[in-house]
Amino acid sequence: GEDVEQSLFLSVREGDSSVINCTYTDSSSTYLYWYKQEPGAGLQLLTYIFSNMDMKQDQRLTVLLNKKDHQLSLRIADTQTGDSAIYFCAERMSGGSNYKLTFGKGTLLTVNP
Amino acid sequence: DAGVIQSPRHEVTEMGQEVTLRCKPISGHDYLFWYRQTMMRGLELLIYFNNNVPIDDSGMPEDRFSAKMPNASFSTLKIQPSEPRDSAVYFCASSLRRGSNQPQHFGDGTRLSIL
Repeated sequence: GEDVEQSLFLSVREGDSSVINCTYTDSSSTYLYWYKQEPGAGLQLLTYIFSNMDMKQDQRLTVLLNKKDHQLSLRIADTQTGDSAIYFCAERMSGGSNYKLTFGKGTLLTVNP
Repeated sequence: DAGVIQSPRHEVTEMGQEVTLRCKPISGHDYLFWYRQTMMRGLELLIYFNNNVPIDDSGMPEDRFSAKMPNASFSTLKIQPSEPRDSAVYFCASSLRRGSNQPQHFGDGTRLSIL
C-alpha cells in the first residue's frame, strides 16, 4: 500500500544542521520529492531524487535515499530562520499514467535564533 | 512566468451555500490536480485531470463535490451544499507529462471556512 510517514515536529538552533526524515512504503516508487510550505502559501518544490540514486546535493540541501530501508532524508546545512516552514516528502509510483503523488503529513521545522 | 493561480484566496460562507473554487494552471501543463489540506488528514488528493479529462476522482469525498475542466486553462471545484467539515485549504497544482520527473507546481490555495 501507499503510505508516507514523517515526524511532525523538529526544532533546531540557527546555524545548526537540520535533518528531516521520511519513511515510504512503496518499493516501486520512482521519484521522491521534498516540498516546503511557508505560512499561507502553497507547496514549493525544493528538490527531488530518482530512485536509482543514493544522494543528491543542491547548495545547502542534501537528500539521502536508503532504498533498502525505504528511508528518505533531507539535510539542511546552516539552518536559517527563513527555513522555518513545513516540509513534506512525497513519493511517485512508477508505471502507466500514474502521475499521482502521495504526501506525508509534513514536518514543522522551527528554527530558533 | 505566472505560476498556478487560484481564486479566491479566502472564502467564508454559511453552510448550505454553494462554493466554487477556481484554478488556472501553468500554460502548457497538461495535468491538473485538486488537493485538500487539513490538520487532521494532511494533504489529500481529490481529483486529477489529464488533457482536461478526469482521470481519477476516487479522492472526492462525496457527491456534494464536483470538479470540471472545460478547457486547458481553467478548472473549478464546486461544493454544493457546503458543510462546516468542508473547511480546509484547497490547493490546485499542475504539471507537465513530458519527462517522468516533472514536479507538480502548486498554487497558493483557497482557505475555505464554512460557518
